[in-house]
Amino acid sequence: DTAVSQTPKYLVTQMGNDKSIKCEQNLGHDTMYWYKQDSKKFLKIMFSYNNKELIINETVPNRFSPKSPDKAHLNLHINSLELGDSAVYFCASSQGGGAVTGELFFGEGSRLTVL
Amino acid sequence: AQSVSQHNHHVILSEAASLELGCNYSYGGTVNLFWYVQYPGQHLQLLLKYFSGDPLVKGIKGFEAEFIKSKFSFNLRKPSVQWSDTAEYFCAVNAGRDDKIIFGKGTRLHILP
Repeated sequence: DTAVSQTPKYLVTQMGNDKSIKCEQNLGHDTMYWYKQDSKKFLKIMFSYNNKELIINETVPNRFSPKSPDKAHLNLHINSLELGDSAVYFCASSQGGGAVTGELFFGEGSRLTVL
Repeated sequence: AQSVSQHNHHVILSEAASLELGCNYSYGGTVNLFWYVQYPGQHLQLLLKYFSGDPLVKGIKGFEAEFIKSKFSFNLRKPSVQWSDTAEYFCAVNAGRDDKIIFGKGTRLHILP
């Protein structure tokens, strides 16, 4: 059983398209995150949701819109894709967030390539 | 704002060598500190963490890290590395006031058999 699962694992698309990445966790955690890992492996937090509520929203373009239909799911929709959006996007979850346990459980990542 | 610096981008060692990966953070208050590891083709996983108490923290697979508050450092160590330790290592910090865990840029460790 995969604890944090993301789909798709690989996504190749043209500039200007809109795409979504889905994330689901079966750990019963109340907090979920999206991180972006660029080509230099730099992991940067994008969003965090706690019980379907947006908690952290870093300086991310409006083209990125997270949606959490329930606490087990956090999807990421990206409009008008740009070359610079090419990266690996990691979903993660935790119980109580960084301030409580500090342990994030990561998905395997979704590699997005924008042509 | 919190930030994390990892000084070594790429480290190459032979098996049985000792390892120390540097990590410094910038935040003056109480912090929680972590090391995560990403083995080739796998997802990130927690190696060890420091919240409070003994500044020398033991993790999985023989790793340890020492929190030195005066130096704002949390270096990762292992006395004798193995080929299977080849991976990317990320230091991370949480300032304790919010859920943000900020990651360093990672250190790629390559162990020669």
